[in-house]
Amino acid sequence: GAGVSQSPRYKVTKRGQDVTLRCDPISSHATLYWYQQALGQGPEFLTYFNYEAQPDKSGLPSDRFSAERPEGSISTLTIQRTEQRDSAMYRCASSLIPGLAGEETQYFGPGTRLLVL
Amino acid sequence: AQSVTQLDSQVPVFEEAPVELRCNYSSSVSVYLFWYVQYPNQGLQLLLKYLSGSTLVKGINGFEAEFNKSQTSFHLRKPSVHISDTAEYFCAVNRRGATNKLIFGTGTLLAVQP
Repeated sequence: GAGVSQSPRYKVTKRGQDVTLRCDPISSHATLYWYQQALGQGPEFLTYFNYEAQPDKSGLPSDRFSAERPEGSISTLTIQRTEQRDSAMYRCASSLIPGLAGEETQYFGPGTRLLVL
Repeated sequence: AQSVTQLDSQVPVFEEAPVELRCNYSSSVSVYLFWYVQYPNQGLQLLLKYLSGSTLVKGINGFEAEFNKSQTSFHLRKPSVHISDTAEYFCAVNRRGATNKLIFGTGTLLAVQP
């Protein structure tokens, strides 16, 4: 597609429920990232994929968080048994070249705002 | 580990005035430096980045930034701002040769007033 898209844009859920967020990256991009942005803070890295491989998931806060990219394009981020502290903006980004390419520009989607009541 | 400090959470400025948004970073290794802008209800958009070479980097919308290694700073400047520049600005770093894992500052809200 023309840009990175995310769905839903807003999600309200009750504590204890599971939620799944979706990211559709730019079609030619090999690498996909997930960030979490709490209110008043900058985005914080959660995990990333090179195609379908997930080399780094060091930023996932707990084992309640998991991400997939089974066919190397669309990715989902699932939060199980949500807690109020999970309320945040979840941002997805993609970049063209895989591997250790720190200079690559990351293209961000509009984000999903999650509110856990 | 790397870290980024944006000391100013908000910067109010009048239209057509110059502006500087400050960014300082901490790292024991060489880094790449980025400025991203977030307009309301939109995703983060790259303004400019420093990879190597000239320390003065020019970006989109008339913005520029200067890398100062001795002061570990990467301040963003614009000589004359417009109402449309009202947005949140994020400074970020990424360690050279490492995973493409951006570390962001807390952001600065630039509020341009008529």
